Amino acid sequence: NAGVMQNPRHLVRRRGQEARLRCSPMKGHSHVYWYRQLPEEGLKFMVYLQKENIIDESGMPKERFSAEFPKEGPSILRIQQVVRGDSAAYFCASSPSTSETDTQYFGPGTRLTVL
Amino acid sequence: AQSVTQLGSHVSVSEGALVLLRCNYSSSVPPYLFWYVQYPNQGLQLLLKYTTGATLVKGINGFEAEFKKSETSFHLTKPSAHMSDAAEYFCAVSGGFQKLVFGTGTRLLVSP
Repeated sequence: NAGVMQNPRHLVRRRGQEARLRCSPMKGHSHVYWYRQLPEEGLKFMVYLQKENIIDESGMPKERFSAEFPKEGPSILRIQQVVRGDSAAYFCASSPSTSETDTQYFGPGTRLTVL
Repeated sequence: AQSVTQLGSHVSVSEGALVLLRCNYSSSVPPYLFWYVQYPNQGLQLLLKYTTGATLVKGINGFEAEFKKSETSFHLTKPSAHMSDAAEYFCAVSGGFQKLVFGTGTRLLVSP
């Protein structure tokens, strides 16, 4: 059973460009979470999605950031017009249900560098 | 709202010594608590979790943690450190809809 897949693992963008980060959850998991880890900090929740629905986006910046989890295909975290402060590691996690006792399984992350 | 405080951004131990990583939480509802480990340039791996029931929780790689409600703590311990334990450790509390609230992490350094 493959784990959570994220690609690309490393992404370099210039200021003003767009970044697209992809996440494929574990087989059988229909719940996806995105977290951001700034240098020397812990992970911060961004958004929680189920197939075709955003359940909780309380951690998403109000502008330039969006996320989707379509019926088919991976979840996408999109950052428009990137700025240097967006440089961070972005982690995706998945779980099989909404239970708070379920384990979230994390992917290896995408490390975004904005030049 | 939930929050987690990890005391000590860096902890150094000798190989074979006791490992103690501290975590205190704040939660307005009964908490679910987690410890994750992160190796360099990798994702997070679950070490152990507390949901309900027995307050002493055993995890992988010889780690365990004890939930102490009166002290709002969930400290992580291992009797004997191994070089391979060197990593960053994160304590987390679930914040509703399974949203995890993480501490700032503790980097464990193990010397021979």
